[in-house]
Amino acid sequence: DQQVKQNSPSLSVQEGRISILNCDYTNSMFDYFLWYKKYPAEGPTFLISISSIKDKNEDGRFTVFLNKSAKHLSLHIVPSQPGDSAVYFCAAISNQGGKLIFGQGTELSVKP
Amino acid sequence: GAGVSQSPRYKVAKRGQDVALRCDPISGHVSLFWYQQALGQGPEFLTYFQNEAQLDKSGLPSDRFFAERPEGSVSTLKIQRTQQEDSAVYLCASSRGGQGLSGNTIYFGEGSWLTVV
Repeated sequence: DQQVKQNSPSLSVQEGRISILNCDYTNSMFDYFLWYKKYPAEGPTFLISISSIKDKNEDGRFTVFLNKSAKHLSLHIVPSQPGDSAVYFCAAISNQGGKLIFGQGTELSVKP
Repeated sequence: GAGVSQSPRYKVAKRGQDVALRCDPISGHVSLFWYQQALGQGPEFLTYFQNEAQLDKSGLPSDRFFAERPEGSVSTLKIQRTQQEDSAVYLCASSRGGQGLSGNTIYFGEGSWLTVV
């Protein structure tokens, strides 16, 4: 039972263009969502988050959009840079507290 | 400390051997989590502590897995009689907040890479 899904295992984008990473969830009790970035041989690093009471949160080149009715969120990176190449994980927390539930990850490759 | 610290970074164990993985959370963080990440997958929840209390251990795959946080800071994940399917990265994470974590950022360590041969 995969409650958080990232259906694209990989994404390749040209430097300077927009990267859009998608995430779907099934549990309506989720009320806080986070994106993590992971380089090889390192732990996940927090990138950006959004509460369910918002539909957009922006931090520099990174913007997360939340569509509650569709149970869908996306991470936009613009402009994309080669250093953004990593695996990106979407994660969610239920309003009953406790654990993060992760998606399977999307490997982003930004080509110079 | 500045971040979540885990040791050992790499561990090779023979099948049947017991292993212990250590996590030093960020100082003052109330919540501590253990996750297991298999190759090509997202992290899977194992267990959660709020201070010294283990509030959720629903993700522990078998009774060979045991975690403790006796003084509410450092935590140890112990795996008894390791098997090949235990090979994975074990990630520890901590958060400042307690129960009802929405709004609290959860910070991860670099992980302990376990290979069972």
